[in-house]
Amino acid sequence: VQLVETGGGLIQPGGSLRLSCAASGFTVSSTYMSWVRQAPGKGLEWVSVMYSGGNTYYADSVKGRFTISRDTSKNTVYLQMNSLRAEDTAVYYCASSSGWYPSLDFWGQGTLVTVSS
Amino acid sequence: ESVLTQSPGTLSLSPGERATLSCRASQSVSRNYLAWYQQKPGQAPRLLIFGASSRATGIPDRFSGSGSGTDFTLTINRLEPEDFAVYYCQRYGSSPWTFGQGTKVEMK
Repeated sequence: VQLVETGGGLIQPGGSLRLSCAASGFTVSSTYMSWVRQAPGKGLEWVSVMYSGGNTYYADSVKGRFTISRDTSKNTVYLQMNSLRAEDTAVYYCASSSGWYPSLDFWGQGTLVTVSS
Repeated sequence: ESVLTQSPGTLSLSPGERATLSCRASQSVSRNYLAWYQQKPGQAPRLLIFGASSRATGIPDRFSGSGSGTDFTLTINRLEPEDFAVYYCQRYGSSPWTFGQGTKVEMK
């Protein structure tokens, strides 16, 4: 099992960015896929999750601005981030469960998003 | 919304000692959907415990989890040098999948 995040970078406040999480070794539509972020020097913050059935949930801090989605043909999960703020600056991790049980068993290496002018 | 409060913030111990970390939820955690993660500097978190007390694959048996409802504990018996890290608890399975603020286990 491997998760590889891409798409991070420097973006101005108010801008948009799309993160990708390419999975191998399992099917993203068969399990729970989540995004977790970590601001510099801070703790972990859960951002969003997509269930195998397609239901999606978000932290209040990103609701209405971020959207999680998946492309089963590419076995990839995305995080579309709009209206970015300085406080969204963080390393964003993609994480997945290993099956029907929702604990986050596998993690990617993370991608850094910096929101600054 | 369920808040997870971890204590202490920092634990200063020597190799070979036992670490006891606490995670308290403001609301009962249903189905004991409570996990513990270890994170070392510059690395992604690693799942240690799921379901409050089940060890994840490959996790040494010196790590154990216990508790139910609102009070949970992670115990690390006989600390090894590689165990000095930050530990997070997390509730999952129903939104929001909240993390605690973390406990740093540092070498005395």
